[in-house]
Amino acid sequence: DVKVTQSSRYLVKRTGEKVFLECVQDMDHENMFWYRQDPGLGLRLIYFSYDVKMKEKGDIPEGYSVSREKKERFSLILESASTNQTSMYLCASSTPGEGGYEQYFGPGTRLTVT
Amino acid sequence: QKEVEQNSGPLSVPEGAIASLNCTYSDRGSQSFFWYRQYSGKSPELIMFIYSNGDKEDGRFTAQLNKASQYVSLLIRDSQPSDSATYLCAPAWRGGYQKVTFGTGTKLQVIP
Repeated sequence: DVKVTQSSRYLVKRTGEKVFLECVQDMDHENMFWYRQDPGLGLRLIYFSYDVKMKEKGDIPEGYSVSREKKERFSLILESASTNQTSMYLCASSTPGEGGYEQYFGPGTRLTVT
Repeated sequence: QKEVEQNSGPLSVPEGAIASLNCTYSDRGSQSFFWYRQYSGKSPELIMFIYSNGDKEDGRFTAQLNKASQYVSLLIRDSQPSDSATYLCAPAWRGGYQKVTFGTGTKLQVIP
């Protein structure tokens, strides 16, 4: 079974702090994604990476950066946390399957910025 | 127009009934679609995919695709309270710089 893990389930940070969210997958997938999910807005893509050290902006990259130094690990960085970044953050990894690129999600990190 | 549209619900059905979840999409280039189920407080999990016009059955679940009408649906027969969740429709990502999109999901409530 594919396993995607995220460093924290719940996180509380203060405004202005630099926040690191870690994601690790154990299936050698090339593609990894960071989303945030908010009520009524669904899943929104922040960044994705299709290879080590490669990254592409998603729909809402402002205020975020990412790092992928190793294939299995994809980190999301909030440079200076703000209250509007309070959200559920989901990491996913993806591999080609019979129906296309299937995405496998981690358990999520619920981040609260106070 | 949103790329993928779903009625947010909640869709309430009695236990044992058929639940019908619908999704429309705008990108005619989309070839296949996934359905994800997301329980409250949990992350989405892939339950089905479909890439051909017509129906695809998997146990109590049937996915339907109509490319001419740009319409995807998921039918759940003999609905159970454990099916209560939000169901997300997503065109399969085609890799590279192709856009990644998900519907906002339909919340299903199965009433015992």
